[in-house]
Amino acid sequence: DQQVKQNSPSLSVQEGRISILNCDYTNSMFDYFLWYKKYPAEGPTFLISISSIKDKNEDGRFTVFLNKSAKHLSLHIVPSQPGDSAVYFCAASSLRRSYIPTFGRGTSLIVHP
Amino acid sequence: DSGVTQTPKHLITATGQRVTLRCSPRSGDLSVYWYQQSLDQGLQFLIQYYNGEERAKGNILERFSAQQFPDLHSELNLSSLELGDSALYFCASSVEQGANEKLFFGSGTQLSVL
Repeated sequence: DQQVKQNSPSLSVQEGRISILNCDYTNSMFDYFLWYKKYPAEGPTFLISISSIKDKNEDGRFTVFLNKSAKHLSLHIVPSQPGDSAVYFCAASSLRRSYIPTFGRGTSLIVHP
Repeated sequence: DSGVTQTPKHLITATGQRVTLRCSPRSGDLSVYWYQQSLDQGLQFLIQYYNGEERAKGNILERFSAQQFPDLHSELNLSSLELGDSALYFCASSVEQGANEKLFFGSGTQLSVL
């Protein structure tokens, strides 16, 4: 039962353009959402998060949007850079589950120069 | 460098065998998490320890067990290995446990069961 879904296994974007990575969740108990980035041969690293009481959180080139009614969140990267090429994992957590993140399967982003 | 150390990086073994994966958390982190990443799967939560005690269990098989030692390092034991256990096993650590806690991941142990 995949409670956090990233339906696009891969995404290709031109350098300088916007990258939009999407994530859907099914459990309405989730109240905290995170994005992690993973380079080959490395572990995931935290990128950005958002609480369910907000609908947007921005950190530099990265912005996460949350639409609770649609149970959907997205990560926007503007402008995209070749160094952003990585696998991006969406994750969700809840107090009921001790805020242990439930991860999606990841989206592989390739940014072309 | 996340500060989380996992050994070994690669492990090749045969079906029916038993292996132990080791994790040293970041200095000061009390909480250790184990995740499994199989082909085409996301990171599946296995188990969490906090300051030596088991805190939460996820989709961990009965053939698998873990522990956290007084020095806070953790070991994940996998026994009666099957082909399907081949995966990348990640350890992560955090200071505490809460919504704002970021998990710091090691680089993983790639297990191949032949």
